[in-house]
Amino acid sequence: GENVEQHPSTLSVQEGDSAVIKCTYSDSASNYFPWYKQELGKRPQLIIDIRSNVGEKKDQRIAVTLNKTAKHFSLHITETQPEDSAVYFCAALFSGGYNKLIFGAGTRLAVHP
Amino acid sequence: GAVVSQHPSRVICKSGTSVKIECRSLDFQATTMFWYRQFPKQSLMLMATSNEGSKATYEQGVEKDKFLINHASLTLSTLTVTSAHPEDSSFYICSARDPGLTNTQYFGPGTRLTVL
Repeated sequence: GENVEQHPSTLSVQEGDSAVIKCTYSDSASNYFPWYKQELGKRPQLIIDIRSNVGEKKDQRIAVTLNKTAKHFSLHITETQPEDSAVYFCAALFSGGYNKLIFGAGTRLAVHP
Repeated sequence: GAVVSQHPSRVICKSGTSVKIECRSLDFQATTMFWYRQFPKQSLMLMATSNEGSKATYEQGVEKDKFLINHASLTLSTLTVTSAHPEDSSFYICSARDPGLTNTQYFGPGTRLTVL
């Protein structure tokens, strides 16, 4: 069935360290993988996404890697800052029908000064 | 990114009443919108896919007669929670897919529903 698993559920790092969040998906036909950042009580904000025709994408301190063979993708945040503290969700686009996004359970990231 | 609005942002109602939530795409036309529900400290759970000009597609376990969806135009989808009960209290968020950017979805600000 349609499933996205995300780890870890919580992550605590010191300011300046790197943070890595990992996700796996079940549908081998999935070809789009966005990452969203959600602050408390607010909407999820798209921070980066990757499509299946590339293995890595970078945007300043944020990068995403994709391993289609393993059905695995990861978010990397370098030089973390306190304002990076939030809940991060990965998602995978499941093909068929109206191409719906299925979300992982989320990772609560805390960056300590 | 594209702008999606949602109204109201917060609503408190009595058990048994119905509540309508509006989702609008402000700067693009969205043939497809999505409705999610998010309980505290949990992920976004897709409830249904709203399709302009046709019936919504509901996820397994979501009652279509309780959560009525209408996508009357390319910029507006509405979700009506009928005969609301306390267990329906949640954060309801819509998203719209920008047709100019394949598969990219932008979220509305959400509606916090509290049923007393």
